[in-house]
Amino acid sequence: GQNIDQPTEMTATEGAIVQINCTYQTSGFNGLFWYQQHAGEAPTFLSYNVLDGLEEKGRFSSFLSRSKGYSYLLLKELQMKDSASYLCAVRDLRGSGGGADGLTFGKGTHLIIQP
Amino acid sequence: EAQVTQNPRYLITVTGKKLTVTCSQNMNHEYMSWYRQDPGLGLRQIYYSMNVEVTDKGDVPEGYKVSRKEKRNFPLILESPSPNQTSLYFCASRQKTYPYEQYFGPGTRLTVT
Repeated sequence: GQNIDQPTEMTATEGAIVQINCTYQTSGFNGLFWYQQHAGEAPTFLSYNVLDGLEEKGRFSSFLSRSKGYSYLLLKELQMKDSASYLCAVRDLRGSGGGADGLTFGKGTHLIIQP
Repeated sequence: EAQVTQNPRYLITVTGKKLTVTCSQNMNHEYMSWYRQDPGLGLRQIYYSMNVEVTDKGDVPEGYKVSRKEKRNFPLILESPSPNQTSLYFCASRQKTYPYEQYFGPGTRLTVT
């Protein structure tokens, strides 16, 4: 099975930096995603890591350590519009013959940005 | 415009009355998936399909059926809905290769009384 943990809620200040952590335990690990979801809307893709290290994309960066089962999403220069839930999701190979391709999400971290 | 569409967006129904939620994508994606989202439980995968006529169970498949007869469509069928299937449902699609970015539909809010 899969187990994904991330904090339920975090608060940060506009203009600051925040790091959202995600730990996971899974068999057949094949990559980790971060999604952003504003209230009442569909999730939108932020990043995908399959190798160890840091991937930077503008104000957002994502880090992965496969040996530690750990990832984080780093948001810089926070803006009010960054108030949203951030979902960590693990892609794993499962199903008959191990060739199938499932995706398990964490429960999400609700990020509140204060002025 | 590249998109995933779902219908209906909102549905209130009664226990036991069969229903289908449609999902369609115009991006020629091989992979499609259904999720449900519940407070405190997050997004959970119900079923997914890696190509036409290929479907697999996700983490919470009980009480649901799917079919993939065409590449663009992936309907979710509830043969006998029950109140515990009241939820927000999302359909998603992606290509089979890197970067595996999933595009989500707008969601279907289902209430079963």
